[in-house]
Amino acid sequence: GQNIDQPTEMTATEGAIVQINCTYQTSGFNGLFWYQQHAGEAPTFLSYNVLDGLEEKGRFSSFLSRSKGYSYLLLKELQMKDSASYLCAVMDSNYQLIWGAGTKLIIKP
Amino acid sequence: GAVVSQHPSRVICKSGTSVKIECRSLDFQATTMFWYRQFPKQSLMLMATSNEGSKATYEQGVEKDKFLINHASLTLSTLTVTSAHPEDSSFYICSASLAEYNEQFFGPGTRLTVL
Repeated sequence: GQNIDQPTEMTATEGAIVQINCTYQTSGFNGLFWYQQHAGEAPTFLSYNVLDGLEEKGRFSSFLSRSKGYSYLLLKELQMKDSASYLCAVMDSNYQLIWGAGTKLIIKP
Repeated sequence: GAVVSQHPSRVICKSGTSVKIECRSLDFQATTMFWYRQFPKQSLMLMATSNEGSKATYEQGVEKDKFLINHASLTLSTLTVTSAHPEDSSFYICSASLAEYNEQFFGPGTRLTVL
């Protein structure tokens, strides 16, 4: 079966750095997405990785290793507004998006 | 960027009635639209994928006669929850993309409460 694993919840301090991991087992791979979802709101796109390596976009970076079935989202200089759920999603060989359950990130002052 | 709107944002209805939710891509033509349902503290669950001008493809376990999807134009898809029951209460989110394998842009969601 297809599976996406990410931690249920993480806590970090304002101004610090946090890394949210995602491992996946899917039938084929056509890219990995990270989305941010604030409570009661719809997800918003953060990043897309299809090749191995690190993609940096401001305070957020996303890393992919296809051989290991592994990705992480790195958030730097954490702000209170970064408190949200972070969803990892993988597009399989049928171009179907497989969603992880999300990681709830709690930022403390 | 690509903007997707949903209407209404919140709806409360009586059990047995039908509710229609609209999803519009405002500044691009969406070949494909997706409908998701999300229960509290759970991830997104894909209900169906619809391509403009053709019948929607429903995920296993989703009743096509209960959740009617119409994708009549490249900018509008509708989801009608027929004969709604309290267990249908959920957060319904649509997304749109230029093609099935492209990035999805999400609407703001519709919170449905069935009394």
